[in-house]
Amino acid sequence: DAGVTQSPTHLIKTRGQQVTLRCSPKSGHDTVSWYQQALGQGPQFIFQYYEEEERQRGNFPDRFSGHQFPNYSSELNVNALLLGDSALYLCASRPTSGQGGYGYTFGSGTRLTVV
Amino acid sequence: GDSVTQMEGPVTLSEEAFLTINCTYTATGYPSLFWYVQYPGEGLQLLLKATKADDKGSNKGFEATYRKETTSFHLEKGSVQVSDSAVYFCARLSNSGYALNFGKGTSLLVTP
Repeated sequence: DAGVTQSPTHLIKTRGQQVTLRCSPKSGHDTVSWYQQALGQGPQFIFQYYEEEERQRGNFPDRFSGHQFPNYSSELNVNALLLGDSALYLCASRPTSGQGGYGYTFGSGTRLTVV
Repeated sequence: GDSVTQMEGPVTLSEEAFLTINCTYTATGYPSLFWYVQYPGEGLQLLLKATKADDKGSNKGFEATYRKETTSFHLEKGSVQVSDSAVYFCARLSNSGYALNFGKGTSLLVTP
C-alpha cells in the first residue's frame, strides 16, 4: 500500500518564478495538508484541503495557493518565488473519520531551492 | 496560541543509554499529542500518539505519557540504539483539529 507520494523530489527555481508541487494521499485518505519545513526548523502548517476546498489556512501569504482534485490528490502553487521560500515542502494526509485520534501520514517531501 | 516547546539539541548518547526528550504544550483544551521522527533526507514518520490525559503512547520501545497537570508529553526510551539517530518532533493538534503545531525538533545522535 503506497503511502503519501510527492513529486518532484527536488526542484531548483529562480526568484520571481512560479512552482507547482504535487501530492497523492495515502489510499483511503481524503484530507490533505501542506507544510513548509525550513532547514533546522519544525514544519509550519500552510493549509488543509478537504472535499476540494481549503478548510484552514496557516500564516502564509496569498502567493501560496492550492487545489484538491476529485481523486483527493492535491497541488501546492507558489507564485513570485522568494529566496526565503527555499524549504522542504511536506504533504500529509489522513482520513476524515476519527479526526482527533489519527496522526497524519507524511510524504518524503519536495526540496525546493530558490536561487 | 497553540504551541509546543521541546528541548533543544543536539542530544548525544552512547548506545544503550536512557533517553528523555522533554516536550510541553500550551494548555488550550485537551489536544491530541504526537511524536514524529525524521531520518536524514526523509519525511516525518509518526512514532506514537496520545489522545487524552493519562494516555500512554508507545512504539518501538519509545513511550510518552499525556500529563495534563504539567502539560507535558516527554519522550522516553530505556535503551537507545545507533539506528535511533534522527530528529524528533513533538506536535499537538490545533484546537480546530486541522493543523499540527510542531516543536522545533530535537536532534539525537547515538554513538556505538
